[in-house]
Amino acid sequence: KAGVTQTPRYLIKTRGQQVTLSCSPISGHRSVSWYQQTPGQGLQFLFEYFSETQRNKGNFPGRFSGRQFSNSRSEMNVSTLELGDSALYLCASSLDREAGNTIYFGEGSWLTVV
Amino acid sequence: GNSVTQMEGPVTLSEEAFLTINCTYTATGYPSLFWYVQYPGEGLQLLLKATKADDKGSNKGFEATYRKETTSFHLEKGSVQVSDSAVYFCALRPNTGTASKLTFGTGTRLQVTL
Repeated sequence: KAGVTQTPRYLIKTRGQQVTLSCSPISGHRSVSWYQQTPGQGLQFLFEYFSETQRNKGNFPGRFSGRQFSNSRSEMNVSTLELGDSALYLCASSLDREAGNTIYFGEGSWLTVV
Repeated sequence: GNSVTQMEGPVTLSEEAFLTINCTYTATGYPSLFWYVQYPGEGLQLLLKATKADDKGSNKGFEATYRKETTSFHLEKGSVQVSDSAVYFCALRPNTGTASKLTFGTGTRLQVTL
């Protein structure tokens, strides 16, 4: 069974540009969430999607957005990139929203903003 | 709100030493508790989990017991190997409305030497 797949793995963008990251969850998983990991702030929750609807959102500016498609695949977008957006962006999937179900993570997308 | 507190790292041990990484949490109700491991340049891998009080999660020689009375979920391993060198994250998943949002500790870096 394939795990959570994220693309691209590495990318470099310039300040002011926008970026779109893609995530394919484990087959059958309907909940997809995104996290940002930085050395200074650690792992921070961005948002969660379930059945194509955003269910939860973390404390990030509106430049961070996402969506989920009918096949549960998800994308996140960051507009007007800032240097501080450089981070590892992790996508995670879970069967559903039950607390006891495990959340599985992808390898992440490394974003560098220059 | 929910929070997870982990012991500060880095932790440096000799191979075959005993490992303990402390983790305590604050949460409403009965969250599920997880330990994730991150190897250099990779995403998060689930190490073990426990979904209710007194549950013991175990995997690859690692163990952790869900202690509600002390709100703790300490990670232990009887004999560490060089290959265990990684960053370990304790996390909780609430069983109420924000059930798909993991709250992470700051991570504890483990370095095992020969």
